[in-house]
Amino acid sequence: NAGVTQTPKFQVLKTGQSMTLQCAQDMNHNSMYWYRQDPGMGLRLIYYSASEGTTDKGEVPNGYNVSRLNKREFSLRLESAAPSQTSVYFCASSEARGSQNIQYFGAGTRLSVL
Amino acid sequence: EDQVTQSPEALRLQEGESSSLNCSYTVSGLRGLFWYRQDPGKGPEFLFTLYSAGEEKEKERLKATLTKKESFLHITAPKPEDSATYLCAVLEVGFKTIFGAGTRLFVKA
Repeated sequence: NAGVTQTPKFQVLKTGQSMTLQCAQDMNHNSMYWYRQDPGMGLRLIYYSASEGTTDKGEVPNGYNVSRLNKREFSLRLESAAPSQTSVYFCASSEARGSQNIQYFGAGTRLSVL
Repeated sequence: EDQVTQSPEALRLQEGESSSLNCSYTVSGLRGLFWYRQDPGKGPEFLFTLYSAGEEKEKERLKATLTKKESFLHITAPKPEDSATYLCAVLEVGFKTIFGAGTRLFVKA
């Protein structure tokens, strides 16, 4: 019962470097999400994918790009990392975006940008 | 502006000391309110969904209630293993989910 798997768990980058955060779910869910979590703030939505083949911007999309590779996988890319992107990143999935929108989360990726 | 506010930010209890966590919201239209539990170093884990004012849900020592403007998570006779951050999230009519900042609960034996 893997659920939502994120890799890597930890990452340290220098300003300007790029990297991709990987996320995969094995629950056959249609919708997937990327959030960031900062101290004292709620989870903020970066991007989401309501279904395979679609992606949309969330609350804080600047500096990020996403790819919904297939129904299982949803990746988040930082093209040129900045210190302001130091955060904990969570991937989540849900069966759909309707009122039964229970989201299942991965364990997170802790990213530091120096 | 739509927002979700949780209080208190942190709560320290003795084992067995019952209390409540608050989640107040101002949104254009409520489709559902969710409670999640988050342990240190882990992702949030779903606890409850509430859909309409007056609704209540229970799970072990936890009970969630909903009014038109706020939700409460009541913790009865808490144990140290209940220590975690509890997150509230509101699903709006446009299917946008807004999370609160959470309440950190510490239960001392």
